[in-house]
Amino acid sequence: ELKVEQNPLFLSMQEGKNYTIYCNYSTTSDRLYWYRQDPGKSLESLFVLLSNGAVKQEGRLMASLDTKARLSTLHITAAVHDLSATYFCAVDFFLNTGNQFYFGTGTSLTVIP
Amino acid sequence: DSGVTQTPKHLITATGQRVTLRCSPRSGDLSVYWYQQSLDQGLQFLIHYYNGEERAKGNILERFSAQQFPDLHSELNLSSLELGDSALYFCASSVERGYTEAFFGQGTRLTVV
Repeated sequence: ELKVEQNPLFLSMQEGKNYTIYCNYSTTSDRLYWYRQDPGKSLESLFVLLSNGAVKQEGRLMASLDTKARLSTLHITAAVHDLSATYFCAVDFFLNTGNQFYFGTGTSLTVIP
Repeated sequence: DSGVTQTPKHLITATGQRVTLRCSPRSGDLSVYWYQQSLDQGLQFLIHYYNGEERAKGNILERFSAQQFPDLHSELNLSSLELGDSALYFCASSVERGYTEAFFGQGTRLTVV
C-alpha cells in the first residue's frame, strides 16, 4: 500500500527553538517535495528533493532526503512566528500504471511568541 | 501569485448537479495536476495531464473527469455531486512531463448542499 506519513500532526513550539518534522513513505521513491500552506490559502513549494542524500536549505528551514530509509526531514531552526503554517511532504511514486503522487497528512505548526 | 489561475473561486451547488472547474497553467507549463483537499481525506492527487494527454490517475472517482485542451488549460468535471464532494480543489502546473516543482493555483472551494 502506498502511504506517506508525517509526524507530528500538530506541533506547538516556542520562538527560538529548534524542531524536526518527519516524513516516512512506504515504497521506493527518490522524489520528495515539501510544501507550506497558510490557513485558507494555496500550497507554496518549499523544497524539491530528487536524490538520496539531497539537502536543501532556505532561511530557517532545511530539508533532507534519505531514500534508503524512505525518510525525509524538515528541520526548523530558531523558529519565528511567521513559520506558523501547515507543512506537507509529498512523494512521487513510480508505478507500472503511471506516477502516483501522494501527500502526507500535514503537520500543523504553531510558533508561540 | 503563482501564475496558475483557477475559476471560479467559490461554487455552491446542489446534490446531483454537475459542475466544471477551470485551470489555466503558468505560461509555458505543459503539465497540469488536479488535487482535492478535504478535512477527512486530506490532500489527494486526482489526475495529471501533460500536453493534452493523461499521464497518471490517482484517487479520482468515476463521476469525475478531466481534460486538457490544446491551449493547455484544463477542466475538471464533477457530476452527480454528493455532499462528500465538498472540498477545495487545487490545480497545479509544471514545465516538465514528470513531477518536478509545481505551482499551485488558489483553488476552487466547492460546497454541495
